Amino acid sequence: GAGVSQSPSNKVTEKGKDVELRCDPISGHTALYWYRQSLGQGLEFLIYFQGNSAPDKSGLPSDRFSAERTGGSVSTLTIQRTQQEDSAVYLCASSSAGRFTEAFFGQGTRLTVV
Amino acid sequence: GQNIDQPTEMTATEGAIVQINCTYQTSGFNGLFWYQQHAGEAPTFLSYNVLDGLEEKGRFSSFLSRSKGYSYLLLKELQMKDSASYLCAVRDSNYQLIWGAGTKLIIKP
Repeated sequence: GAGVSQSPSNKVTEKGKDVELRCDPISGHTALYWYRQSLGQGLEFLIYFQGNSAPDKSGLPSDRFSAERTGGSVSTLTIQRTQQEDSAVYLCASSSAGRFTEAFFGQGTRLTVV
Repeated sequence: GQNIDQPTEMTATEGAIVQINCTYQTSGFNGLFWYQQHAGEAPTFLSYNVLDGLEEKGRFSSFLSRSKGYSYLLLKELQMKDSASYLCAVRDSNYQLIWGAGTKLIIKP
């Protein structure tokens, strides 16, 4: 696609429910990143994929968070048993394999847990 | 550990010049990037540096010193629309992007 696409753009869910956030990267981009950003805060790294493998999962805040990427393309971030502190904007970015290529961001999913 | 430091907030006057500094300690270096993020929007790419020196792009310039682990973003002829957060990021030896917390730039008339 023309850019990184994330869905849904907004999600309101009840505490304790599971949610799935989707990221469709730019076609051909091998690197994919998930970040979380609370209001007025910086980017909090969650997970990084290179192809289908995740060399770095160190940012996942708890075992309620998981992510997968299939076919080297679309990625899904799943949050189980959501808590109010999970409320934030979840941003996805992708980049190509070149050494000095920039990452392109999607518009994010605003998650609100009530 | 890996670390990127930038000031939390800066204030400047419309029409003036401002310099936003970034220092980093990372495992390897494969380029330094500057992004702009307006409130409520996703970050957008501004510039990258791979070699020491100054890269100029219109009103924006970015400087890198790899030996000092230091970069700055220089914004000239400030406009009100430049009010945003500016994020510094370094790609490490694993091609992972390491991000600073961002510098919120406030432009006053």
